[in-house]
Amino acid sequence: SQKIEQNSEALNIQEGKTATLTCNYTNYSPAYLQWYRQDPGRGPVFLLLIRENEKEKRKERLKVTFDTTLKQSLFHITASQPADSATYLCAWGGYNKLIFGAGTRLAVHP
Amino acid sequence: EAGVAQSPRYKIIEKRQSVAFWCNPISGHATLYWYQQILGQGPKLLIQFQNNGVVDDSQLPKDRFSAERLKGVDSTLKIQPAKLEDSAVYLCASSARTGDNSPLHFGNGTRLTVT
Repeated sequence: SQKIEQNSEALNIQEGKTATLTCNYTNYSPAYLQWYRQDPGRGPVFLLLIRENEKEKRKERLKVTFDTTLKQSLFHITASQPADSATYLCAWGGYNKLIFGAGTRLAVHP
Repeated sequence: EAGVAQSPRYKIIEKRQSVAFWCNPISGHATLYWYQQILGQGPKLLIQFQNNGVVDDSQLPKDRFSAERLKGVDSTLKIQPAKLEDSAVYLCASSARTGDNSPLHFGNGTRLTVT
């Protein structure tokens, strides 16, 4: 079955630095990957989508890359702020399905 | 636009009891999803509706879980009887379309505790 792997360890970084989160998938390449943010006690909120034929996507301080050879997507937050602290979920999309990883918790310290 | 509404926000029941969750999606969204999120895990799809028809219920434990979407708008998810392992957050989401990478809009979920 399709598996989506995200680093289960929390990522702790200093304010102003770039946070980089990793999403790896097994088996089949997705038609697209989506990234969501989830705060405690809240539902996930959509951030960015990248399609299989795209290498990179940007939105303000966010950047997503997609490497089908490595079966990996990287999610970057530049100039990170304490308000960016949350869990970030990667979701594999294809065949009318959206399969979520377990997420990586990011903590940005002042 | 108003977001996805879910109720109740929290529910505590004993095992073998029944429980129901309600979801009102974003107006005009044809596709509705119910996800189960166990603590420390990502959301797992239970059932997906396109209007009032079921698109995917392959991971729904049909011996105890049921869901319906009457008139293609609101939806209810029921568990009967509940087990301890059903303790989780039940998230409802909607999207404008299905299968074309439309982003999902989630509600804030119902946290179920089964004792």
